[in-house]
Amino acid sequence: GNSVTQMEGPVTLSEEAFLTINCTYTATGYPSLFWYVQYPGEGLQLLLKATKADDKGSNKGFEATYRKETTSFHLEKGSVQVSDSAVYFCALSARVAGGYNKLIFGAGTRLAVHP
Amino acid sequence: KAGVTQTPRYLIKTRGQQVTLSCSPISGHRSVSWYQQTPGQGLQFLFEYFSETQRNKGNFPGRFSGRQFSNSRSEMNVSTLELGDSALYLCASSLPGLETQYFGPGTRLLVL
Repeated sequence: GNSVTQMEGPVTLSEEAFLTINCTYTATGYPSLFWYVQYPGEGLQLLLKATKADDKGSNKGFEATYRKETTSFHLEKGSVQVSDSAVYFCALSARVAGGYNKLIFGAGTRLAVHP
Repeated sequence: KAGVTQTPRYLIKTRGQQVTLSCSPISGHRSVSWYQQTPGQGLQFLFEYFSETQRNKGNFPGRFSGRQFSNSRSEMNVSTLELGDSALYLCASSLPGLETQYFGPGTRLLVL
């Protein structure tokens, strides 16, 4: 079946440190991959996406590359800020019967950045 | 363009009651999906509606139901509430045929 596995948090970093949050997936076919971010008390915001192998999604300094050979979509940022503190979710879009899609999420990784 | 809106934002109910949550999608988005978020189970897919028809349903009991109106607005209903239904309920909308879903702020339901 389809599933997403993320590294467990919390991840605690100092401001300006390098961030990596690991995400691997299991899927039939070729899903699209997403990173969403959730700030305290809010819903999910789309951070970036990639729709095919070797695509790189990027936004606000965050990047992730769709690696089909390793079934991974790791999130990276070169220099984190306190304002990046949030929970990050990796997700895949699973095509279901009838050709429609639903999102399957990882468990989420909490990031805490301190000054 | 306005984002996905959900009402109410917070709700407190007691066991056995029922509740209705509302979601207005982004203008032009005809697909609406609902998700439940809990600390224990994470984010789980409830159901998806398109053109007033439920196209896809997750693994939830029949107490969870929904509908979509001709203007694409959607409601979900939970009957006979249980303590375990306490969660953040998220609605997401997308354009027809596209996979990217945009989420609302959620409705936080507390069942006492």
